[in-house]
Amino acid sequence: QVQLVQSGAEVKRPGSSVRVSCKASGGTFRSYGISWVRQAPGQGLEWMGGIIPIFGSAKYAQKFQGRVTITADESTSTVYMELSSLRSEDTAVFYCARDRAEYDNYGRGMKSFDYWGQGTLVTVSS
Amino acid sequence: QSALTQPASVSGSPGQSITISCTGSISDVGAYNYVSWYQQHPGKAPKLMIYDVSDRPSGVSNRFSGSKFGNTASLTISGLQAEDEAHYFCSSYTTNNLAVFGGGTKLTVL
Repeated sequence: QVQLVQSGAEVKRPGSSVRVSCKASGGTFRSYGISWVRQAPGQGLEWMGGIIPIFGSAKYAQKFQGRVTITADESTSTVYMELSSLRSEDTAVFYCARDRAEYDNYGRGMKSFDYWGQGTLVTVSS
Repeated sequence: QSALTQPASVSGSPGQSITISCTGSISDVGAYNYVSWYQQHPGKAPKLMIYDVSDRPSGVSNRFSGSKFGNTASLTISGLQAEDEAHYFCSSYTTNNLAVFGGGTKLTVL
């Protein structure tokens, strides 16, 4: 059974950075995309970006481009999301989510997400 | 990348059917048959209910169905039950391994 376990809650100052981890177990790691999704309190889901570990390079939503970095460590089956220049509006629960299917013949993933981490609350406050 | 457009809320009585729409563009919903739907109860992680426009993962009730016409996808829940009360989000693949979510719809079972 696939499981995604995320790192614990964080409290950060405005202007700082946060790194959240997502450790996968129970399945093939390198050929399934992992995405990061932000959910501010009482708000909807925002796709931030994702990575298919076998390809190595991540893709980012335009809104977060330049502020988010997603990396994958195949040796530990862990994906990391680092968000910089934090502001109060970044206070949110961050989820990692795995693609339902392996990448297709065109190298595409990010089509749907069937396994989700438990969420990590990041609070940005002075 | 603009968020997909969903109604803020819908409601229905037990046993009735409801439909939630999800409107995108020719770059996402209209371009690919990779629309998915998620159910989220308060304080919980989202759960995949529909993928590839109309397919259901194993274990999801057949009361949930999906469809698409042009740039608009829809989720229909038939035979509404109290436990269906939740937020529902659509998502679509868009170009170059990017994805986008809808703003979410709160379903109230009266």
